[in-house]
Amino acid sequence: GENVEQHPSTLSVQEGDSAVIKCTYSDSASNYFPWYKQELGKRPQLIIDIRSNVGEKKDQRIAVTLNKTAKHFSLHITETQPEDSAVYFCAASSPRGQAGTALIFGKGTTLSVSS
Amino acid sequence: AAGVIQSPRHLIKEKRETATLKCYPIPRHDTVYWYQQGPGQDPQFLISFYEKMQSDKGSIPDRFSAQQFSDYHSELNMSSLELGDSALYFCASSHLTRSGNTIYFGEGSWLTVV
Repeated sequence: GENVEQHPSTLSVQEGDSAVIKCTYSDSASNYFPWYKQELGKRPQLIIDIRSNVGEKKDQRIAVTLNKTAKHFSLHITETQPEDSAVYFCAASSPRGQAGTALIFGKGTTLSVSS
Repeated sequence: AAGVIQSPRHLIKEKRETATLKCYPIPRHDTVYWYQQGPGQDPQFLISFYEKMQSDKGSIPDRFSAQQFSDYHSELNMSSLELGDSALYFCASSHLTRSGNTIYFGEGSWLTVV
C-alpha cells in the first residue's frame, strides 16, 4: 500500500521567513496530494491540493510543487505569520476500489513561527 | 456551507464497554471515511464507504465495525474497548467529480477509555 514520508518533523522559523515541508510517496499510481493544517485538538483543514496532471499550484502565500518522476511533493509557505503555527500533514491517495480512495497521511510537521 | 457533522463530540467509556460514533456527511457527498488520531500522531485510515458499500479498509481492528446507511450517514461501532482506543476519531466525506474527490473532515469525536 501507499507510504508517505514527511520531513522535517519540526520546523521553527522567524515571522516573514519562508517554510518548506517535503513529502515522498511510494505508490506511483497516487494521483492526488492534499496538504492539511491542523491546530491542536481540531480537525485537519485542507489548505491546498494538487493533482498529478499539474506540477505546481499556488494560492496566495502557499504553493505546492509535485515531481511525479521522483515521487515527491513540497509545501511552500512564504511570508510566514504566527497564525501559520500548526501541524501540517501531507497526504496521498491512489485509485483503489471505487470512489472511496483513502488518504494516507505523512507523520506531520510541527511549524512554529516566532514573531 | 454545511460541513461534516459528528456526534457525540466527547465520549467517556470504561474498558470493555461499547461505543458508537455517528457521522453525517456533507449533503450530496457519496463517500465517507473514518480516521483515528492518537495524541501527537497522524490520522490513521480505518475504513471508507462509497454509496453505502464498504470501499476500502485500513487499520480497523476486528473489534470495530462500521456501516453507511441509506441516508448516507455512517456509524462506527467499537466494542470491547481498550485503553489504547482513546483517540480523536474523525469522519470525512467527499464527492467524486470529474476533477477528483476533495476530502473534508468533521470536527472529530473525542473518545476516552478509562
